[in-house]
Amino acid sequence: QQQVKQSPQSLIVQKGGISIINCAYENTAFDYFPWYQQFPGKGPALLIAIRPDVSEKKEGRFTISFNKSAKQFSLHIMDSQPGDSATYFCAASTENAGNMLTFGGGTRLMVKP
Amino acid sequence: GAVVSQHPSRVICKSGTSVKIECRSLDFQATTMFWYRQFPKQSLMLMATSNEGSKATYEQGVEKDKFLINHASLTLSTLTVTSAHPEDSSFYICSASIGDNSPLHFGNGTRLTVT
Repeated sequence: QQQVKQSPQSLIVQKGGISIINCAYENTAFDYFPWYQQFPGKGPALLIAIRPDVSEKKEGRFTISFNKSAKQFSLHIMDSQPGDSATYFCAASTENAGNMLTFGGGTRLMVKP
Repeated sequence: GAVVSQHPSRVICKSGTSVKIECRSLDFQATTMFWYRQFPKQSLMLMATSNEGSKATYEQGVEKDKFLINHASLTLSTLTVTSAHPEDSSFYICSASIGDNSPLHFGNGTRLTVT
Protein backbone atom coordinates (compact mmCIF):
# COMPACT_ATOMS: atom_id res chain seq x y z
CA GLN A 1 0.00 0.00 0.00
CA GLN A 2 1.48 3.28 -1.10
CA GLN A 3 1.10 5.68 1.78
CA VAL A 4 2.30 8.77 -0.03
CA LYS A 5 1.10 9.37 -3.58
CA GLN A 6 2.95 11.89 -5.72
CA SER A 7 2.00 13.51 -9.01
CA PRO A 8 2.87 14.13 -11.74
CA GLN A 9 5.51 11.51 -12.48
CA SER A 10 7.23 13.90 -14.86
CA LEU A 11 6.99 17.61 -15.50
CA ILE A 12 8.40 19.93 -18.13
CA VAL A 13 8.46 23.65 -17.39
CA GLN A 14 9.90 26.60 -19.25
CA LYS A 15 12.61 28.63 -17.59
CA GLY A 16 11.03 31.25 -15.37
CA GLY A 17 7.83 29.28 -14.96
CA ILE A 18 6.29 27.75 -11.85
CA SER A 19 6.77 24.05 -11.15
CA ILE A 20 4.06 22.45 -9.04
CA ILE A 21 4.28 18.97 -7.56
CA ASN A 22 1.54 17.44 -5.47
CA CYS A 23 1.45 14.78 -2.80
CA ALA A 24 -1.32 13.10 -0.85
CA TYR A 25 -1.00 10.91 2.18
CA GLU A 26 -3.19 8.44 3.97
CA ASN A 27 -1.69 7.97 7.40
CA THR A 28 -3.04 10.66 9.74
CA ALA A 29 -0.18 9.92 12.14
CA PHE A 30 2.24 11.58 9.73
CA ASP A 31 3.28 14.94 11.12
CA TYR A 32 6.46 15.87 9.29
CA PHE A 33 6.57 16.42 5.55
CA PRO A 34 9.91 17.10 3.83
CA TRP A 35 10.76 17.50 0.17
CA TYR A 36 14.00 16.12 -1.22
CA GLN A 37 15.81 16.89 -4.46
CA GLN A 38 17.88 14.20 -6.13
CA PHE A 39 20.29 14.53 -9.02
CA PRO A 40 21.32 11.45 -11.02
CA GLY A 41 23.78 9.25 -9.18
CA LYS A 42 23.48 11.23 -5.96
CA GLY A 43 21.61 10.82 -2.72
CA PRO A 44 18.54 12.95 -1.96
CA ALA A 45 19.15 16.37 -0.45
CA LEU A 46 16.65 18.08 1.83
CA LEU A 47 15.01 21.10 0.23
CA ILE A 48 12.32 22.24 2.61
CA ALA A 49 10.00 20.70 5.17
CA ILE A 50 6.75 21.51 6.94
CA ARG A 51 4.73 20.40 9.92
CA PRO A 52 0.89 20.33 10.03
CA ASP A 53 0.62 23.33 12.33
CA VAL A 54 1.27 25.71 9.43
CA SER A 55 -0.37 25.89 6.03
CA GLU A 56 2.54 27.31 4.10
CA LYS A 57 6.30 27.61 4.34
CA LYS A 58 8.55 29.51 1.99
CA GLU A 59 12.29 29.34 1.56
CA GLY A 60 13.65 31.32 -1.35
CA ARG A 61 12.02 30.09 -4.56
CA PHE A 62 10.58 27.01 -2.86
CA THR A 63 7.19 26.99 -1.14
CA ILE A 64 5.30 24.16 0.54
CA SER A 65 1.53 24.43 0.79
CA PHE A 66 -0.15 22.12 3.26
CA ASN A 67 -3.83 21.16 3.54
CA LYS A 68 -4.34 19.04 6.63
CA SER A 69 -8.05 18.35 6.10
CA ALA A 70 -7.44 17.12 2.57
CA LYS A 71 -4.24 15.32 3.59
CA GLN A 72 -2.39 16.95 0.73
CA PHE A 73 0.72 19.03 0.35
CA SER A 74 2.50 20.52 -2.59
CA LEU A 75 5.82 22.00 -3.64
CA HIS A 76 5.94 25.14 -5.74
CA ILE A 77 9.18 26.17 -7.41
CA MET A 78 8.98 29.77 -8.52
CA ASP A 79 11.08 31.15 -11.37
CA SER A 80 12.18 27.64 -12.29
CA GLN A 81 15.72 27.35 -13.63
CA PRO A 82 17.45 24.67 -15.74
CA GLY A 83 19.57 23.88 -12.70
CA ASP A 84 16.37 22.82 -10.92
CA SER A 85 16.07 19.89 -13.31
CA ALA A 86 16.15 16.88 -11.01
CA THR A 87 13.88 14.32 -9.40
CA TYR A 88 11.84 15.59 -6.48
CA PHE A 89 10.46 13.39 -3.75
CA CYS A 90 7.90 14.25 -1.14
CA ALA A 91 8.06 12.25 2.06
CA ALA A 92 6.38 11.87 5.40
CA SER A 93 7.23 10.60 8.82
CA THR A 94 5.69 10.33 12.23
CA GLU A 95 6.68 11.92 15.52
CA ASN A 96 10.23 13.03 14.79
CA ALA A 97 11.97 14.66 11.89
CA GLY A 98 14.77 12.15 12.30
CA ASN A 99 12.44 9.21 12.03
CA MET A 100 12.16 6.92 9.05
CA LEU A 101 10.68 8.48 5.94
CA THR A 102 8.02 7.14 3.61
CA PHE A 103 8.65 8.53 0.15
CA GLY A 104 6.33 9.43 -2.68
CA GLY A 105 7.01 8.00 -6.11
CA GLY A 106 9.03 10.96 -7.32
CA THR A 107 8.64 13.61 -10.01
CA ARG A 108 11.21 14.09 -12.73
CA LEU A 109 11.36 17.80 -13.44
CA MET A 110 12.90 19.21 -16.57
CA VAL A 111 13.23 22.97 -16.91
CA LYS A 112 13.78 24.02 -20.48
CA PRO A 113 15.97 27.06 -21.15
CA GLY B 1 25.59 20.73 8.33
CA ALA B 2 25.38 17.03 8.94
CA VAL B 3 27.32 14.90 6.50
CA VAL B 4 26.69 11.26 5.78
CA SER B 5 29.37 9.47 3.80
CA GLN B 6 29.04 6.21 1.93
CA HIS B 7 31.74 3.97 0.54
CA PRO B 8 32.18 2.74 -2.07
CA SER B 9 30.24 4.90 -4.49
CA ARG B 10 30.25 2.14 -7.08
CA VAL B 11 30.97 -1.55 -6.93
CA ILE B 12 30.79 -4.35 -9.45
CA CYS B 13 30.85 -7.90 -8.20
CA LYS B 14 30.30 -11.36 -9.54
CA SER B 15 27.21 -13.34 -8.77
CA GLY B 16 27.60 -15.35 -5.58
CA THR B 17 30.05 -13.02 -3.90
CA SER B 18 29.42 -10.66 -0.98
CA VAL B 19 29.74 -6.90 -0.93
CA LYS B 20 30.05 -4.58 2.06
CA ILE B 21 28.83 -0.99 1.97
CA GLU B 22 29.83 1.48 4.66
CA CYS B 23 27.82 4.41 5.94
CA ARG B 24 29.49 6.95 8.21
CA SER B 25 28.21 9.99 9.99
CA LEU B 26 31.16 12.34 9.67
CA ASP B 27 30.47 15.09 12.17
CA PHE B 28 27.85 13.66 14.46
CA GLN B 29 26.86 10.51 16.26
CA ALA B 30 23.92 8.52 14.98
CA THR B 31 22.28 5.88 17.13
CA THR B 32 19.97 5.11 14.25
CA MET B 33 20.68 4.90 10.55
CA PHE B 34 18.33 3.90 7.77
CA TRP B 35 19.14 1.88 4.67
CA TYR B 36 17.16 2.48 1.49
CA ARG B 37 17.24 0.84 -1.92
CA GLN B 38 16.36 2.60 -5.14
CA PHE B 39 15.85 0.91 -8.49
CA PRO B 40 16.26 2.99 -11.68
CA LYS B 41 13.63 5.68 -12.07
CA GLN B 42 11.87 4.54 -8.93
CA SER B 43 11.45 5.87 -5.43
CA LEU B 44 13.44 5.04 -2.33
CA MET B 45 12.23 2.01 -0.43
CA LEU B 46 13.20 1.54 3.19
CA MET B 47 15.05 -1.73 3.71
CA ALA B 48 15.98 -1.63 7.36
CA THR B 49 16.63 0.47 10.41
CA SER B 50 20.10 0.11 11.82
CA ASN B 51 20.38 0.54 15.58
CA GLU B 52 23.71 1.03 17.30
CA GLY B 53 24.48 -1.83 19.62
CA SER B 54 21.43 -3.89 18.76
CA LYS B 55 19.87 -5.85 15.93
CA ALA B 56 18.58 -4.10 12.86
CA THR B 57 14.88 -3.93 12.14
CA TYR B 58 14.01 -5.10 8.65
CA GLU B 59 11.04 -4.09 6.55
CA GLN B 60 8.63 -6.71 5.36
CA GLY B 61 9.97 -8.62 2.39
CA VAL B 62 13.64 -7.80 3.05
CA GLU B 63 15.72 -10.88 3.81
CA LYS B 64 17.77 -10.27 6.93
CA ASP B 65 20.13 -13.14 6.16
CA LYS B 66 20.87 -11.69 2.75
CA PHE B 67 21.26 -8.07 3.77
CA LEU B 68 23.38 -8.12 6.90
CA ILE B 69 23.49 -4.89 8.85
CA ASN B 70 26.02 -4.08 11.53
CA HIS B 71 25.97 -0.85 13.51
CA ALA B 72 28.95 -1.35 15.78
CA SER B 73 29.65 2.28 16.58
CA LEU B 74 27.81 5.59 16.75
CA THR B 75 29.35 6.71 13.47
CA LEU B 76 29.37 3.59 11.32
CA SER B 77 26.78 1.23 9.92
CA THR B 78 27.55 -1.40 7.32
CA LEU B 79 25.31 -3.24 4.90
CA THR B 80 26.62 -6.51 3.51
CA VAL B 81 24.87 -8.01 0.53
CA THR B 82 25.61 -11.71 0.79
CA SER B 83 25.63 -14.13 -2.13
CA ALA B 84 24.72 -11.32 -4.46
CA HIS B 85 22.65 -11.97 -7.56
CA PRO B 86 21.95 -9.76 -10.57
CA GLU B 87 18.53 -8.84 -9.17
CA ASP B 88 20.32 -7.24 -6.19
CA SER B 89 21.81 -4.68 -8.56
CA SER B 90 20.50 -1.36 -7.31
CA PHE B 91 21.36 1.98 -5.73
CA TYR B 92 21.75 1.62 -1.98
CA ILE B 93 21.49 4.77 0.13
CA CYS B 94 21.90 5.27 3.84
CA SER B 95 20.62 8.12 5.96
CA ALA B 96 20.99 9.42 9.48
CA SER B 97 19.86 12.25 11.68
CA ILE B 98 21.69 14.35 14.25
CA GLY B 99 18.76 13.98 16.58
CA ASP B 100 15.07 13.30 16.84
CA ASN B 101 14.03 16.77 15.73
CA SER B 102 16.61 17.12 12.99
CA PRO B 103 15.92 16.02 9.43
CA LEU B 104 17.39 12.96 7.79
CA HIS B 105 20.51 13.48 5.73
CA PHE B 106 21.41 11.03 3.02
CA GLY B 107 24.67 9.66 1.78
CA ASN B 108 25.51 9.83 -1.91
CA GLY B 109 24.59 6.21 -2.41
CA THR B 110 26.36 3.10 -3.64
CA ARG B 111 25.67 1.78 -7.11
CA LEU B 112 25.90 -2.02 -6.93
CA THR B 113 26.12 -4.01 -10.14
CA VAL B 114 26.13 -7.79 -9.92
CA THR B 115 27.32 -9.57 -13.05
